[in-house]
Amino acid sequence: NAGVTQTPKFQVLKTGQSMTLQCAQDMNHNSMYWYRQDPGMGLRLIYYSASEGTTDKGEVPNGYNVSRLNKREFSLRLESAAPSQTSVYFCASTLSGGNNEQFFGPGTRLTVL
Amino acid sequence: KNEVEQSPQNLTAQEGEFITINCSYSVGISALHWLQQHPGGGIVSLFMLSSGKKKHGRLIATINIQEKHSSLHITASHPRDSAVYICAVRSRGNEKLTFGTGTRLTIIP
Repeated sequence: NAGVTQTPKFQVLKTGQSMTLQCAQDMNHNSMYWYRQDPGMGLRLIYYSASEGTTDKGEVPNGYNVSRLNKREFSLRLESAAPSQTSVYFCASTLSGGNNEQFFGPGTRLTVL
Repeated sequence: KNEVEQSPQNLTAQEGEFITINCSYSVGISALHWLQQHPGGGIVSLFMLSSGKKKHGRLIATINIQEKHSSLHITASHPRDSAVYICAVRSRGNEKLTFGTGTRLTIIP
């Protein structure tokens, strides 16, 4: 089992460029999450998907869109990147809800110039 | 005030010492998670608990629901325990986790 995989690992964008961060899990989990991690702050939820076909906003959704492509894959899109979106992005999955262990991907370090 | 507060923010100790990291939260919860983030950045789940105590190897996690407080203990600490330890809570009726800012632990040989 690969667990949770994310691509790319690193990315540098210019302001205004767009990109999609990919996430996939092979544990047959129902719930998937996108977080960002910034220095001095806890992980913050951007969007989540409680099940295939559903997505909901988290704490910091502005500037992002998501797609739950199927049960395995959950992508995060930046339509017009801004320097404030420089961060480390983590994808996570869990069987369902918050009363199960969350499994995290390795992270994507994104820099927006 | 953040929903989840951790203390201390930074902790340096000698190898072999007993370590305690604290987590306080302000809402009613259905579960509390302890996570470990290594210098390389990867995050792994250590414990999930809703009452009592759990033990895994040299790690022990306790929770006091009435006092809204949890502790993570490490016995016989080792330099490989050096990492950031993160507390997260799921409030009742909520799908989502709220995270503390983490405790950076450094164990000196």
